[in-house]
Amino acid sequence: SQQGEEDPQALSIQEGENATMNCSYKTSINNLQWYRQNSGRGLVHLILIRSNEREKHSGRLRVTLDTSKKSSSLLITASRAADTASYFCATDPDTGRRALTFGSGTRLQVQP
Amino acid sequence: DTGVSQDPRHKITKRGQNVTFRCDPISEHNRLYWYRQTLGQGPEFLTYFQNEAQLEKSRLLSNRFSAERPKGSFSTLEIQRTEQGDSAMYLCASSLDSEETQYFGPGTRLLVL
Repeated sequence: SQQGEEDPQALSIQEGENATMNCSYKTSINNLQWYRQNSGRGLVHLILIRSNEREKHSGRLRVTLDTSKKSSSLLITASRAADTASYFCATDPDTGRRALTFGSGTRLQVQP
Repeated sequence: DTGVSQDPRHKITKRGQNVTFRCDPISEHNRLYWYRQTLGQGPEFLTYFQNEAQLEKSRLLSNRFSAERPKGSFSTLEIQRTEQGDSAMYLCASSLDSEETQYFGPGTRLLVL
């Protein structure tokens, strides 16, 4: 079963705009990761944020984590057409299992 | 390219047939994971190996599914007596024991007619 929800399910923006995606989850976590998936392909790891971190940056990506609300957000700044993809959050539970639990994803369309 | 590779990339089969998929992880990655992804959904965990030991299996992994990693390197996932509901993308990922990041392969897309 899916750990949580991504919001929105779909997002369409113009090139140059910022895109914000949200993720909620249900159980305690060790870390939360964001992945990107281009249509019909494998997942590419974007960024990992640990449960004791509140914000992390990587290039045009900014991730926040609020463990009290069990939520995370991914911000892509100055979006490009090449950012068009599905974005998934995945939680790594604090049980030592390491099996990731994914949300249902946000489909981002960046119009050139 | 030293990423995770999967073979075949696509498989079409008739209901009732057996299929086998292969995954070659990044060399020296001792953890290997199998996930299944249906259209419009995120991946769902199936099973994982640490070296050759299968440490966990999801309830999704019915008795028609079997996975092996005989020498702690490549892994195979076999589905016996396929059903139409088995149609999905089967994703393999690998990681080091000491790392939380999982590296995914391109997946095998299965269509059961």
